[in-house]
Amino acid sequence: AQTIHQWPVAEIKAVGSPLSLGCTIKGKSSPNLYWYWQATGGTLQQLFYSITVGQVESVVQLNLSASRPKDDQFILSTEKLLLSHSGFYLCAWRPGQYAEQFFGPGTRLTVL
Amino acid sequence: GEQVEQLPSSLIVQEGASVLINCSYTDSASVYFPWYKQEPGKRLQFIIDIRSNMERKQTQRLTLLFDKKTKHLSLHITATQPGDSAIYFCSASISASSGQKLVFGQGTILKVYL
Repeated sequence: AQTIHQWPVAEIKAVGSPLSLGCTIKGKSSPNLYWYWQATGGTLQQLFYSITVGQVESVVQLNLSASRPKDDQFILSTEKLLLSHSGFYLCAWRPGQYAEQFFGPGTRLTVL
Repeated sequence: GEQVEQLPSSLIVQEGASVLINCSYTDSASVYFPWYKQEPGKRLQFIIDIRSNMERKQTQRLTLLFDKKTKHLSLHITATQPGDSAIYFCSASISASSGQKLVFGQGTILKVYL
């Protein structure tokens, strides 16, 4: 069975500090991977998606970047955090074009 | 780009009642519409979906209706239970050669009391 993990579970960071969030999928080769951001009490906004190693497409610009260094790994990062980056970050994968997405447990980020 | 609007923003009903959540989208290129449920402290969970070549889909207590002409969807939940309390999201998916973009509605908070 496929499993999806995210790390860390939560982070409290200072404005201007760097950030790296990770996502790993186990049990599925070449998954389509997605990063989402959810403001507190808000809707989900797709940030990035990747269909293969080394290839990442940006959906919205939030001063964040993403990379896919391995088939089963998706990294979200920034060199300088803003207050507006606070929120809930979700990683997801899907097995096909018309298929549901499976979401990870998320990372709660608080920027002070 | 695609915009998805979802109404109402919240619903409070007694157990056993039926509820209707409406969703509209703007981009006629959207072809796939999954719905998700977010319970407190739990992962976002898929509940039902429909493709643009269908008009209706039903699973257990959920019925999803799709009108391609008006770009409108509605999710009907019957015989609600306290366990149905969650935030419900509709979404619209546009396929691209390099992947798939998914746009979510604002969510509907459903609270079912005994």
